[in-house]
Amino acid sequence: GDSVTQTEGLVTVTEGLPVMLNCTYQTAYSDVAFFWYVQYLNEAPKLLLRSSTDNKRTEHQGFHATLHKSSSSFHLQKSSVQLSDSALYYCAQGNYKPTFGKGTSLVVHP
Amino acid sequence: GGIITQTPKFLIGQEGQKLTLKCQQNFNHDTMYWYRQDSGKGLRLIYYSITENDLQKGDLSEGYDASREKKSSFSLTVTSAQKNEMAVFLCASRATGDDTQYFGPGTRLLVL
Repeated sequence: GDSVTQTEGLVTVTEGLPVMLNCTYQTAYSDVAFFWYVQYLNEAPKLLLRSSTDNKRTEHQGFHATLHKSSSSFHLQKSSVQLSDSALYYCAQGNYKPTFGKGTSLVVHP
Repeated sequence: GGIITQTPKFLIGQEGQKLTLKCQQNFNHDTMYWYRQDSGKGLRLIYYSITENDLQKGDLSEGYDASREKKSSFSLTVTSAQKNEMAVFLCASRATGDDTQYFGPGTRLLVL
């Protein structure tokens, strides 16, 4: 079956430095969208980024990700993190029966 | 815009009790979902419904029932609460066209 893998459970970064959160996937579908959702403490998850186009960079709130179908990856990156970026990040495949990764908790410290 | 409402916000139950969680959305979305969120385990799909009166099992459906009586509402029942169970249940609906999911604020369950 389909799966989404986020290898890091916890990432700790100093404010102002870059970060990359990993996401790889397995899917039987050739035309499906991939997502990054962000969940701040005591809030609901909400959309951060979405992409269904191979090799096209998608950006929002300073974060960016590029869907690479050749390597089955959709890594999330930011060049300079802020304290307010501390949150739980989920990578997901957006089929009618969606698949989520286990989530990566990003902690940004001064 | 729209909103997803989940009731109750907090639910405390006893072992063996049947507990019902409710979800309402005013996006007019066709597809709705129930997830269970446990620390370190991500979002696990319990049930989903593609349209009114449709029900599909997710990966974690054992121990749960669901009901989609109308387009705007989707209920989840814990058929027999397990002692010391603690989790957050999230309801979501899916936008037609771009597949984005919109989540409710969650119901926090604690079983004593």
